[in-house]
Amino acid sequence: GNSVTQMEGPVTLSEEAFLTINCTYTATGYPSLFWYVQYPGEGLQLLLKATKADDKGSNKGFEATYRKETTSFHLEKGSVQVSDSAVYFCALSGGYSTLTFGKGTMLLVSP
Amino acid sequence: GAGVSQSPSNKVTEKGKDVELRCDPISGHTALYWYRQSLGQGLEFLIYFQGNSAPDKSGLPSDRFSAERTGGSVSTLTIQRTQQEDSAVYLCASSLTDRIYTEAFFGQGTRLTVV
Repeated sequence: GNSVTQMEGPVTLSEEAFLTINCTYTATGYPSLFWYVQYPGEGLQLLLKATKADDKGSNKGFEATYRKETTSFHLEKGSVQVSDSAVYFCALSGGYSTLTFGKGTMLLVSP
Repeated sequence: GAGVSQSPSNKVTEKGKDVELRCDPISGHTALYWYRQSLGQGLEFLIYFQGNSAPDKSGLPSDRFSAERTGGSVSTLTIQRTQQEDSAVYLCASSLTDRIYTEAFFGQGTRLTVV
């Protein structure tokens, strides 16, 4: 079945540091890949997505590239802000049209 | 409404009692999902409704769990004879279609505590 593995947190960074959160997946066929973010006290919201190999999703300074050869979709941001502190979930959508999520990675950014 | 609405936001119940959790999806969204979020366990798929098709119940953990969706809109997740391991945040999401690249919009969740 489908599965998503992402790095465990928390990831603790200083403001303006470079961020990478690793995500790898297992799926049959050609899934779509997503990053969702959950800010403190809020619901999950879509951050970015990519629907085919080599696509790059981007939003709010975050980027992730769909790498089929390495089955990865790592999330990156060049300069994090305190307001980026949240839990980030990598997810994929495969043949059953449901989203399979990773366990989430908490990001803590200090001033 | 403007977003997916879930009620109640918090529910504390005694072990063995039944609970009902409600989800109001975004108007016009044909797909509706229930997930469970436990500490350190990510999001666990429970059930999926798409239009008038039979729901995908493959994620329901036991026969104590059931869900229905009336009129293609509001959905209710029912947990019978609750157990302490049912304590979690239950999330509902809806999307415009069931196509795999369609964004799913999540509600704020219902935090269920079984004591």
